[in-house]
Amino acid sequence: AQKITQTQPGMFVQEKEAVTLDCTYDTSDPSYGLFWYKQPSSGEMIFLIYQGSYDQQNATEGRYSLNFQKARKSANLVISASQLGDSAMYFCAMRATNFGNEKLTFGTGTRLTIIP
Amino acid sequence: DVKVTQSSRYLVKRTGEKVFLECVQDMDHENMFWYRQDPGLGLRLIYFSYDVKMKEKGDIPEGYSVSREKKERFSLILESASTNQTSMYLCASSLTGHPKGYTFGSGTRLTVV
Repeated sequence: AQKITQTQPGMFVQEKEAVTLDCTYDTSDPSYGLFWYKQPSSGEMIFLIYQGSYDQQNATEGRYSLNFQKARKSANLVISASQLGDSAMYFCAMRATNFGNEKLTFGTGTRLTIIP
Repeated sequence: DVKVTQSSRYLVKRTGEKVFLECVQDMDHENMFWYRQDPGLGLRLIYFSYDVKMKEKGDIPEGYSVSREKKERFSLILESASTNQTSMYLCASSLTGHPKGYTFGSGTRLTVV
């Protein structure tokens, strides 16, 4: 079974500061993928970033980077130079990449509020 | 722009009613999913489907059923709605193995009174 833990229910961060959202995971699968999604107040889920368990480098997408520490089973999302539009719920998720499995397991989310 | 469309944004139903939540995707994705989202619980998988007429139970299937008669459409059915099914329902689709995971619909906020 897979489990995602997000221990920060809410965070308040000053605009332009960097933000780290924590995510730890547990799985017995040797191959897996880790995802981060953003959910603004409008409700839609927006894909942010993906990290494969065998990727040698940490994933980056613009202001988003994923701090992947495999031995610690952590996949923290780092947002550089936060903006007011970053205020949203953020979900960490994972998927075992064995054949035939496409299910994502989600964490409970972190509500990020950017303060002007 | 590729899309997953959920038929209703907000829905209010009475206890005991049969409720249909519709989801349509235009991306020719094989895989479709229904999640419910509740505060403090994140997203929990109700049912999923990897092919037409195929369905599998997720983590919380009790009180729900699904139908997938066509590749692009995946319907969630609440056979007899109850107040504990008041929630946000999210539909998603995916292409097998695609690194970006899912494409989500905008969600249906269902209130059962």
